[in-house]
Amino acid sequence: EAGVVQSPRYKIIEKKQPVAFWCNPISGHNTLYWYRQNLGQGPELLIRYENEEAVDDSQLPKDRFSAERLKGVDSTLKIQPAELGDSAVYLCASSLEGGDEQFFGPGTRLTVL
Amino acid sequence: GIQVEQSPPDLILQEGANSTLRCNFSDSVNNLQWFHQNPWGQLINLFYIPSGTKQNGRLSATTVATERYSLLYISSSQTTDSGVYFCAVGENSGNTPLVFGKGTRLSVIA
Repeated sequence: EAGVVQSPRYKIIEKKQPVAFWCNPISGHNTLYWYRQNLGQGPELLIRYENEEAVDDSQLPKDRFSAERLKGVDSTLKIQPAELGDSAVYLCASSLEGGDEQFFGPGTRLTVL
Repeated sequence: GIQVEQSPPDLILQEGANSTLRCNFSDSVNNLQWFHQNPWGQLINLFYIPSGTKQNGRLSATTVATERYSLLYISSSQTTDSGVYFCAVGENSGNTPLVFGKGTRLSVIA
């Protein structure tokens, strides 16, 4: 069974540029999460989707971040414009509906110069 | 919100040694997972253990939910065990976001 897929794995951009990350969850997993991991810290939740509905986005900086999961399967997280402080690893995770155990993708390491 | 503390923050072991990692949390939880983040950044699921004891090869874990702590045991450590070990908890059952500790960085030397 394939795991959570993310792309790209690495991204380097200049500040003020836009960037997008893509995630495909494990097949059959209705719940999808985006986390951000700063250097030396544990991941922190940005947004959680139940199917195509964003049910927890209180930690998403909405002035510059947006996310979508149009068909309830794969998801895109966007930053526009990027700032130096956005440099981090962006992790996607998924879980079964009603399940607890979360499974993580390999992450996208973003560097903003 | 719930707080998660992991100890020790750093640990250096000789290959073959045993170790115990601890996770304390500030409130009752319905979800607790242990992860190993390898040097390439991948979070690998070790245990889903909101209560009780589980074992998988050289690794085992125990969660005492009433006392709000969990322990991860690594026996006969190998260099491939190196990396960061995270404890993460969720306050509610069913698709709850995980709150992570800061991790324990383990280095196993040959």
